[in-house]
Amino acid sequence: ELKVEQNPLFLSMQEGKNYTIYCNYSTTSDRLYWYRQDPGKSLESLFVLLSNGAVKQEGRLMASLDTKARLSTLHITAAVHDLSATYFCAVVVGNNRLAFGKGNQVVVIP
Amino acid sequence: DTEVTQTPKHLVMGMTNKKSLKCEQHMGHRAMYWYKQKAKKPPELMFVYSYEKLSINESVPSRFSPECPNSSLLNLHLHALQPEDSALYLCASSETQLAQPQHFGDGTRLSIL
Repeated sequence: ELKVEQNPLFLSMQEGKNYTIYCNYSTTSDRLYWYRQDPGKSLESLFVLLSNGAVKQEGRLMASLDTKARLSTLHITAAVHDLSATYFCAVVVGNNRLAFGKGNQVVVIP
Repeated sequence: DTEVTQTPKHLVMGMTNKKSLKCEQHMGHRAMYWYKQKAKKPPELMFVYSYEKLSINESVPSRFSPECPNSSLLNLHLHALQPEDSALYLCASSETQLAQPQHFGDGTRLSIL
């Protein structure tokens, strides 16, 4: 059975500090996506990771992919309040479906 | 602003009503998707249309009926829904079903009385 596990499911961050959230998946996949969702809003595509060792950075967020370990990380540098959101990872599985994790709910506190 | 437009943004309906959700994109994408998302849960795939043909139906109850009139439009017809169908319904599109990422609309918040 396919599993996409994100942890921690809830993370309270202090402004200015660095944090990492994790996405593990149980099946072979060569593509992984990170999305951001604000409460009551849609999903915003953050990163597309297409190969082993891929690293993408946008502002304070940096995502990486290790396909051998079936692990992706999302690193947050110097957290700010605007980064409060739920972050979903999703892997592409059979028939090009997206399998989502349960999400990492992030709250950044001043 | 998103390039996938969904209407209405909010919908309240009784269990005997018939209503439709609409989704439109003008990016030339040939794959369109319907997802259902409950609070604090990830999106769940319902249907996929590829080149205006139904490609995937994730065993969705027949009270949900999708329709793709043309390559830019995707509808979801609703009839005799149950209270547990209350959720955020998201539409998404991608260049093709084989291409990612998917671009999501803002969703329709549906409440069943």
